[in-house]
Amino acid sequence: AQSVTQPDIHITVSEGASLELRCNYSYGATPYLFWYVQSPGQGLQLLLKYFSGDTLVQGIKGFEAEFKRSQSSFNLRKPSVHWSDAAEYFCAVYSGGYQKVTFGTGTKLQVIP
Amino acid sequence: DAGVTQSPTHLIKTRGQQVTLRCSPKSGHDTVSWYQQALGQGPQFIFQYYEEEERQRGNFPDRFSGHQFPNYSSELNVNALLLGDSALYLCASSYLGTGNEKLFFGSGTQLSVL
Repeated sequence: AQSVTQPDIHITVSEGASLELRCNYSYGATPYLFWYVQSPGQGLQLLLKYFSGDTLVQGIKGFEAEFKRSQSSFNLRKPSVHWSDAAEYFCAVYSGGYQKVTFGTGTKLQVIP
Repeated sequence: DAGVTQSPTHLIKTRGQQVTLRCSPKSGHDTVSWYQQALGQGPQFIFQYYEEEERQRGNFPDRFSGHQFPNYSSELNVNALLLGDSALYLCASSYLGTGNEKLFFGSGTQLSVL
């Protein structure tokens, strides 16, 4: 069964600092991997996804993520955080076809001035 | 082009009651999935509908049921509500051709059970 672990429940960074959110997945083959962002009281917006090809994936809002098969990781990064990036971030895994998308428990990002 | 729309946005019910939540998928989408997101948790898959049939189901009791209409819109019904059913219920739509690779989420229905 596919699963996702986000070890950091809450992260605080200063505006302008770099950011890395961790994600580890469990799945036998190479899955689809996603990062979604959720603002309070809102649905989820897709930031980026990976399935194959270049292991460094660029997304919207200046985010990127790197797939590392040897570590079963798909960490999200941003070089310089803006106050508007404060939100909850979810990593997700999907094995293809009509299989479900499985989400991690999320990392809440707080941005301080 | 409207995205995924859900109604109502907020709902308050008491234990034992029944509730119906509604979802209209993004234009061109034919598949609807429902997720439950409890406070402080990630979304949990409830079920998915395609061609008016439940195609896959997560680990939820039979109190949770759904329906998909010919226009691809969908309803989620929950019977005999429990306090633990309080959550944000998210609808996501997709197109069969792309599977769940491209899910579009609505803003959700916040259900409070008292």
